[in-house]
Amino acid sequence: DGGITQSPKYLFRKEGQNVTLSCEQNLNHDAMYWYRQDPGQGLRLIYYSQIVNDFQKGDIAEGYSVSREKKESFPLTVTSAQKNPTAFYLCASSIAWAGSPLHFGNGTRLTVT
Amino acid sequence: GESVGLHLPTLSVQEGDNSIINCAYSNSASDYFIWYKQESGKGPQFIIDIRSNMDKRQGQRVTVLLNKTVKHLSLQIAATQPGDSAVYFCAENDAGNNRKLIWGLGTSLAVNP
Repeated sequence: DGGITQSPKYLFRKEGQNVTLSCEQNLNHDAMYWYRQDPGQGLRLIYYSQIVNDFQKGDIAEGYSVSREKKESFPLTVTSAQKNPTAFYLCASSIAWAGSPLHFGNGTRLTVT
Repeated sequence: GESVGLHLPTLSVQEGDNSIINCAYSNSASDYFIWYKQESGKGPQFIIDIRSNMDKRQGQRVTVLLNKTVKHLSLQIAATQPGDSAVYFCAENDAGNNRKLIWGLGTSLAVNP
């Protein structure tokens, strides 16, 4: 089955540690995205990549970093500079940057204590 | 049952009734709109989309209506079932901001048996 795989589903880290969230897609989509979702809120865009080897900051990129070395992979690193990292992180992909629906993974819930 | 997404975030309906979830979008230049369903602990699931050259689009048990004059989008669910209980998000392509998706805050739909 084609889809997006995020791993792990739950992740626990101590404050001050960097952590990398995995996102893999086998849909052959060009565009990929990382969103953050906090309780009772909508989705906020962290980073996006319209094509392999290229990515741009979204609305809340501070404290995060990404890479897009392969079309199917878009890992997100939550650095110690992120002041409030505990959240539900969602990865998505789409055939093209605009005008096509996003397909989401089932998320990674990160808890930092 | 009917709701306005931003002002009445919870909609409760009886099983078998029709549901209407509303969304007021922000940008008159937006040309693509999407509805998503999100169940607890999962990623958003694509339901239906519509482009600005259309007023109505139908899927299986769902209909999306677009009123560009008043910048209003609605999702109608026919014969609502318990499995429809979820949070529903609308999103628009912001034509003036590199066509990023702008997300609504969501409406929670509760279906009573």
